[in-house]
Amino acid sequence: GDSVTQMEGPVTLSEEAFLTINCTYTATGYPSLFWYVQYPGEGLQLLLKATKADDKGSNKGFEATYRKETTSFHLEKDSVQVSDSAVYFCALSSGSGGSNYKLTFGKGTLLTVNP
Amino acid sequence: NAGVTQTPKFRILKIGQSMTLQCTQDMNHNYMYWYRQDPGMGLKLIYYSVGAGITDKGEVPNGYNVSRSTTEDFPLRLELAAPSQTSVYFCASIDRVYGYTFGSGTRLTVV
Repeated sequence: GDSVTQMEGPVTLSEEAFLTINCTYTATGYPSLFWYVQYPGEGLQLLLKATKADDKGSNKGFEATYRKETTSFHLEKDSVQVSDSAVYFCALSSGSGGSNYKLTFGKGTLLTVNP
Repeated sequence: NAGVTQTPKFRILKIGQSMTLQCTQDMNHNYMYWYRQDPGMGLKLIYYSVGAGITDKGEVPNGYNVSRSTTEDFPLRLELAAPSQTSVYFCASIDRVYGYTFGSGTRLTVV
């Protein structure tokens, strides 16, 4: 079945540091890939997505490129801010309709950014 | 504000008690989902619905029941609470263009 493996946390960085959170996946067919962010006490919010190979999703300075050859979707940001402190989830959806809209999640990576 | 509303936000149950987690969305989405999030883990799908009157099991349905009598509401029922059901529960609905909208979650502790 589908699975997502993402970098174990927690990750602690200083403000303005470069961020990479690794994510690899196993799926049948051609999944859509997502990064979700969860701020303390809140639900998940979509950060960015990519629906086909070589697509780059980007939002709020974060980027991730859909690499089919390495089955990866690593999250990057050049310069993190304290406000980026949150849990980040990599996820995939490998079909359409009903349960195939369901998301398969990685375990999440806690990012803490210090001033 | 448009979105997915979950109630309650927090609840403590004793073993064997029952409760219903409420979920309402006002976006007229057909697809709705219940996930649970355990510490250090990603979210796992409990049940989902593709429209009023239609529900189906996800990965971890045991110990739960759902109903979908209207497009707006998708309640999750725990009949005999067990400590293994201590978790954070998220309801979500999906727009095929814009993707998922998640509620803010219900933190449930079973003691």
